[in-house]
Amino acid sequence: SQKIEQNSEALNIQEGKTATLTCNYTNYSPAYLQWYRQDPGRGPVFLLLIRENEKEKRKERLKVTFDTTLKQSLFHITASQPADSATYLCAPAGGSYIPTFGRGTSLIVHP
Amino acid sequence: DAGVIQSPRHEVTEMGQEVTLRCKPISGHDYLFWYRQTMMRGLELLIYFNNNVPIDDSGMPEDRFSAKMPNASFSTLKIQPSEPRDSAVYFCASTPASGGQNGETQYFGPGTRLLVL
Repeated sequence: SQKIEQNSEALNIQEGKTATLTCNYTNYSPAYLQWYRQDPGRGPVFLLLIRENEKEKRKERLKVTFDTTLKQSLFHITASQPADSATYLCAPAGGSYIPTFGRGTSLIVHP
Repeated sequence: DAGVIQSPRHEVTEMGQEVTLRCKPISGHDYLFWYRQTMMRGLELLIYFNNNVPIDDSGMPEDRFSAKMPNASFSTLKIQPSEPRDSAVYFCASTPASGGQNGETQYFGPGTRLLVL
């Protein structure tokens, strides 16, 4: 069955450093992969989408990579700020083109 | 645009009672999704609609759950009878669909926090 793995342990980093979050998937080949941010008590908010034929996508301080051989996506936040503290969900989309969400990784940026 | 609207925001009920959750998608969006989020299982897709028609309900846990979309601007998720294990946050999301292959963004509502005692 399809499986999406994100680090269950919270990632703690110091303000100004680069945060790197990992998303691994197995048993399918997504046509694209999305990343969402979720704050406590709120619904997920879309951040970035990367397609299977793209290696890297950037948006301001955010960067996403997509390695279809490793079946992995990395999500980077450079020059992190306390306001970046949230849970980040990856969501690969397979043949149905409907994304399936991972359980998310909590990021805590310390001032 | 007001975004996806869900009601109620919080619901506390007793086991065995009927629960109805409501969702108004963003105007013009063709797809509507219902999700359930728990600490244990994360964000699970329950059912989704395309142009008011249910496409995939394989995520609906059991017959106690049902969903309808009578028109493009309204959908309900009903649980009858409710059980304590149904306690979760239920999200509705919608997406414009110029073709699913384009990877359209999902726009989530604020969620309904359900507690079944």
